[in-house]
Amino acid sequence: ETGVTQSPTHLIKTRGQQVTLRCSSQSGHNTVSWYQQALGQGPQFIFQYYREEENGRGNFPPRFSGLQFPNYSSELNVNALELDDSALYLCASSSRTDPMAPLHFGNGTRLTVT
Amino acid sequence: AQSVAQPEDQVNVAEGNPLTVKCTYSVSGNPYLFWYVQYPNRGLQFLLKYITGDNLVKGSYGFEAEFNKSQTSFHLKKPSALVSDSALYFCAVRPRAGNTDKLIFGTGTRLQVFP
Repeated sequence: ETGVTQSPTHLIKTRGQQVTLRCSSQSGHNTVSWYQQALGQGPQFIFQYYREEENGRGNFPPRFSGLQFPNYSSELNVNALELDDSALYLCASSSRTDPMAPLHFGNGTRLTVT
Repeated sequence: AQSVAQPEDQVNVAEGNPLTVKCTYSVSGNPYLFWYVQYPNRGLQFLLKYITGDNLVKGSYGFEAEFNKSQTSFHLKKPSALVSDSALYFCAVRPRAGNTDKLIFGTGTRLQVFP
């Protein structure tokens, strides 16, 4: 069983730039969600994708957007980066056929905005 | 507003002693409850969950958690702590309403187990 993998592991960007983070879901999982974990905080839900469509969103502005592909992998895109976007971005996958199952998280991408 | 509180930023315990990491929540309905652990520069690892039934649930690595509906609490426990248990622990709830996997996390409690 292949777990959730994220790339890259670390990234440094300049304020105003755009960034794309990638996630491959665990085999057998069809739903992907993204979380932002700022330093010293708990993860905050950004959004979730199922069947290649966004089907839930947290309190994040539209410059945070995403995609899900037919193989269930996903991208998180952030435009017009701000210093406060510096955080660990976590991807989690799950199966819609088992709604009570826990989420499986990747190791995250550490984004630093300077 | 829905929220999860972990009142202790850090818990210190000697190896071999019992440990408790506290969690309370303010979420309508009967949410699903979870504990996750995070090691440095890693993602979150699932420890245990409460869905329904027995108020004491057992999970990975000897951890257990006690659900108390009247106090809306879900405290994490272990009878005998190990140095290797030192990590950051997060309590999370998932509202039953809605159609997403959205988890609401607490701010985390750092557990330090001393030899």
